[in-house]
Amino acid sequence: DSGVTQTPKHLITATGQRVTLRCSPRSGDLSVYWYQQSLDQGLQFLIQYYNGEERAKGNILERFSAQQFPDLHSELNLSSLELGDSALYFCASSLGSWGETQYFGPGTRLLVL
Amino acid sequence: GIQVEQSPPDLILQEGANSTLRCNFSDSVNNLQWFHQNPWGQLINLFYIPSGTKQNGRLSATTVATERYSLLYISSSQTTDSGVYFCAAYSGGGADGLTFGKGTHLIIQP
Repeated sequence: DSGVTQTPKHLITATGQRVTLRCSPRSGDLSVYWYQQSLDQGLQFLIQYYNGEERAKGNILERFSAQQFPDLHSELNLSSLELGDSALYFCASSLGSWGETQYFGPGTRLLVL
Repeated sequence: GIQVEQSPPDLILQEGANSTLRCNFSDSVNNLQWFHQNPWGQLINLFYIPSGTKQNGRLSATTVATERYSLLYISSSQTTDSGVYFCAAYSGGGADGLTFGKGTHLIIQP
């Protein structure tokens, strides 16, 4: 158990819909990262938040957005969903920023029908 | 951004065998991690090793930062070692994030 929790574990929805994925980092960790794992793109970095502020952006679509709340949990919002958004979405956390170990949550498996 | 290449892509071994997985990266790194993704999809952190050597039970890893490669050693393989092993690196700049290789798919047969 990494100490990072994600909900829900599975999500099935339809094209055009909007979903919210939730992540709680390990106790004391200030950074939260979101990653997407798909069959064609592999594992890729989406976005990082550090202590409530956006720190870095990767290959995140404009239809996707995220935020980190004062209690440090984070939410990833996916809107206008397409079939290609079906993937495993991971949240990771670290104490500080990039030079430190990132611990990954169990992931949310999203299926868009 | 940094490129991460892993080899071999697939590896099938008998229980009890030893294996070496390789990760080559194209730039100096501030962060290099090895992960094991089990059949249920969970990513398990094995090592944080931007340089040097570490050991944890039957697993060990070595990163030679000056030559831009890292090796993961698995000794006395067990069927529970099956899964995909990923190497991921970060070289700086933020926008590239933690870049993952395509992984090595390891199958340990009883």
